[in-house]
Amino acid sequence: QVQLVESGGGVVQPGKSLRLSCAASGFTFSIYPMHWVRQAPGKGLEWVALVSFDGGNKYYADSVKGRLTISRDNSKNILYLEMNSLRPEDTAVYYCARRQDFDFWGQGTLVTVSS
Amino acid sequence: DIQMTQSPSTLSASVGDRVTITCRASQGISNYLAWFQQKPGKAPKSLIYGASTLHSGVPSKFSGSGSGTDFTLTISGLQPEDFATYYCQQYKSYPYTFGQGTKLEIK
Repeated sequence: QVQLVESGGGVVQPGKSLRLSCAASGFTFSIYPMHWVRQAPGKGLEWVALVSFDGGNKYYADSVKGRLTISRDNSKNILYLEMNSLRPEDTAVYYCARRQDFDFWGQGTLVTVSS
Repeated sequence: DIQMTQSPSTLSASVGDRVTITCRASQGISNYLAWFQQKPGKAPKSLIYGASTLHSGVPSKFSGSGSGTDFTLTISGLQPEDFATYYCQQYKSYPYTFGQGTKLEIK
């Protein structure tokens, strides 16, 4: 069955970096575009970024452009989110999701940016 | 950016009721509209894509309609497990955007 498992979250100081991973299994990872979506505590869902099936195209929300980088390794079936220059407003649960229309979601990983 | 506006923000209903949630896009998105259900502390679950197509395994009590700028999610025969927050989302153009959510509460 389709599984998406995020990891890499934690507490980090403002200005620091963090890398999130999303391990995919149960489907042919290399043919699907993949997203990162986040949800700040008590708030709604915010789309963060999309990477095309082959990693050749990437799209970002304006709020993260230039600081967060989406990538993927199709040989390992892993999606990444490299997070730099983190701000307190980046505090959220980060989810990975499959396909253009978000058909499957992972369980999320919490990132807390605080001094 | 395309703004997605859901109404109402909160909806109170009873078990067995039929309810409708509305989602309006600030510009036309054809049928590139999805609906999600989220329960507290859980990841969102996909219900509908293409405005009206149910994902596999989603019960037929859920239905979606609309095209262009106006969309609806209807849930019939409410059961206790249906009380949750529902989000619409457009995937017509970047940046993809979500509605603010509709919390469905038990009356």
